[in-house]
Amino acid sequence: GESVGLHLPTLSVQEGDNSIINCAYSNSASDYFIWYKQESGKGPQFIIDIRSNMDKRQGQRVTVLLNKTVKHLSLQIAATQPGDSAVYFCAENVTPMDTGRRALTFGSGTRLQVQP
Amino acid sequence: NAGVTQTPKFQVLKTGQSMTLQCAQDMNHEYMSWYRQDPGMGLRLIHYSVGAGITDQGEVPNGYNVSRSTTEDFPLRLLSAAPSQTSVYFCASSSGLAHSYEQYFGPGTRLTVT
Repeated sequence: GESVGLHLPTLSVQEGDNSIINCAYSNSASDYFIWYKQESGKGPQFIIDIRSNMDKRQGQRVTVLLNKTVKHLSLQIAATQPGDSAVYFCAENVTPMDTGRRALTFGSGTRLQVQP
Repeated sequence: NAGVTQTPKFQVLKTGQSMTLQCAQDMNHEYMSWYRQDPGMGLRLIHYSVGAGITDQGEVPNGYNVSRSTTEDFPLRLLSAAPSQTSVYFCASSSGLAHSYEQYFGPGTRLTVT
């Protein structure tokens, strides 16, 4: 499989522990945020999203927290499993009123390694 | 549904050659986009389309052309390949629904330009 990022920051956790992956975003006008998971050789896969009018959203084993004051986003994975090993990207969306553009700006990613 | 499909999966070009990366989706999505992914970096937007007949530039459009003649297809053309275009290319689509921003990604095309 390919390497999606040779010099990515890496978070190494033990199986069963909780993981927290952080992301700083730059545009205070961003109105929507997504976390994607990318396994080697595959395209990004949706994990969870959150709108700018929320500060927390929970899914199955995952929670996203949004702090608009400091422009920070985090992804918490509970009871991390070996299958969670991947690169995780946060992405933000800004929808300019004049273009209707709907495209995401991605962060550079964090590699999560789960030790058995 | 096949979702978003891309062809080819791998391609090697010589500098100066041209080619088209194919992307198709069967979800009747209005929005489609092309990204490139380089090692150590996130995905960067090349071009996007908000519907058939409408395209616009993203962050890194130079050296690439797109067209959108149908809702389903959004090909990406490299006009004269350069080594700097060696990358993995992802196509994505998104519905036009007001509350849906999620983008669905294809499996990617790995392009090497020598």
